[in-house]
Amino acid sequence: GAVVSQHPSRVICKSGTSVKIECRSLDFQATTMFWYRQFPKKSLMLMATSNEGSKATYEQGVEKDKFLINHASLTLSTLTVTSAHPEDSSFYICSARAPSPGPRGMNTEAFFGQGTRLTVV
Amino acid sequence: DQQVKQNSPSLSVQEGRISILNCDYTNSMFDYFLWYKKYPAEGPTFLISISSIKDKNEDGRFTVFLNKSAKHLSLHIVPSQPGDSAVYFCAGGTSYGKLTFGQGTILTVHP
Repeated sequence: GAVVSQHPSRVICKSGTSVKIECRSLDFQATTMFWYRQFPKKSLMLMATSNEGSKATYEQGVEKDKFLINHASLTLSTLTVTSAHPEDSSFYICSARAPSPGPRGMNTEAFFGQGTRLTVV
Repeated sequence: DQQVKQNSPSLSVQEGRISILNCDYTNSMFDYFLWYKKYPAEGPTFLISISSIKDKNEDGRFTVFLNKSAKHLSLHIVPSQPGDSAVYFCAGGTSYGKLTFGQGTILTVHP
């Protein structure tokens, strides 16, 4: 099936620094990618929709200046957590929408990256 | 506003028996629903999906049932295996690809 690669899988950074997380679709072109965040023992919460060649669409309550998203190519979206603080520590996951028709005949299936565990100290 | 709810935080089942995971939703605009399996510190893995115009979809040991009038869906795993132990998320999706997840249910299958 389709593969989405996310890097790094784990990162520890100092408070006040910025961290970049990459999300790549390895064997298909993704015009749309999604960024999620998961707090401990909570559900995955959609943060923003990343659109190739245009500005990202952020969900309510998500600071766009805090979480910068760039979707410069059809296979790469990046999330940059700027001026990170301990409360930004979380598990961040990207997903890419499968091309139409998808591997299983559905063009609505989403494939997820492995996730990034961010710890801000 | 929790549009997708999984009211059971955990479920424990004996190996070989049936596991039934439940999910309720409030948004009538979902075009399809999916079930994902997730291990700690990993991304979700797709299990099975169902279109909103269907009421059942089966794939091997996994069957998803959709009751639109009740806004309820369930995932049946038969027979359950210890390797099925994980967190299971249901999600509602729109044609645009945006997913809304439930809180997850921890399934433990005992040998």
